[in-house]
Amino acid sequence: DARVTQTPRHKVTEMGQEVTMRCQPILGHNTVFWYRQTMMQGLELLAYFRNRAPLDDSGMPKDRFSAEMPDATLATLKIQPSEPRDSAVYFCASGLVLTPKPEAFFGQGTRLTVV
Amino acid sequence: GEDVEQSLFLSVREGDSSVINCTYTDSSSTYLYWYKQEPGAGLQLLTYIFSNMDMKQDQRLTVLLNKKDKHLSLRIADTQTGDSAIYFCAESDAGRRALTFGSGTRLQVQP
Repeated sequence: DARVTQTPRHKVTEMGQEVTMRCQPILGHNTVFWYRQTMMQGLELLAYFRNRAPLDDSGMPKDRFSAEMPDATLATLKIQPSEPRDSAVYFCASGLVLTPKPEAFFGQGTRLTVV
Repeated sequence: GEDVEQSLFLSVREGDSSVINCTYTDSSSTYLYWYKQEPGAGLQLLTYIFSNMDMKQDQRLTVLLNKKDKHLSLRIADTQTGDSAIYFCAESDAGRRALTFGSGTRLQVQP
């Protein structure tokens, strides 16, 4: 059963600490998205990668957020230093952009609380 | 820029049909989607439609697209209590493929 796997599912951290969220996309998918969900802003696109190359990270605060894909099976989103306003659910999604099949499949999310 | 709008709340009785509506502004939208989110869970892809189609049916789900008015709807037939969730409309273009989401419609199904 192919699925996007995110770890950790929950993270509570103190303001100023570094947070790393991980995502394992569905095997064979060539596009990975990072979204953030908050009550106020809804679902916002932070960044996305195609064939491991960053295509758009304009949604990320550059001074504290960074996203990478060290290999095809791992995407990471890092926040350093974290702030209370970063508290949200962070979703990773993956898709295959080669065919006219536009599905993007989401992981279960990482619920981040910064205190 | 791109904008996707949905009404916030819909309440129906079990067994009735539900219709959730969405409007979008981006004329270059190629794909339109419906996702379902249950409490504490991720987003589950329900269905999608290409912009050159005007209808798609998948079991209890019917998607209608009026491209001229940029209006998308999701009809759920014989709504069940398990259908209670937040439903998100989203769009993407052919090249970028990044999804732009609406704010979600909370569907409450009363027994």
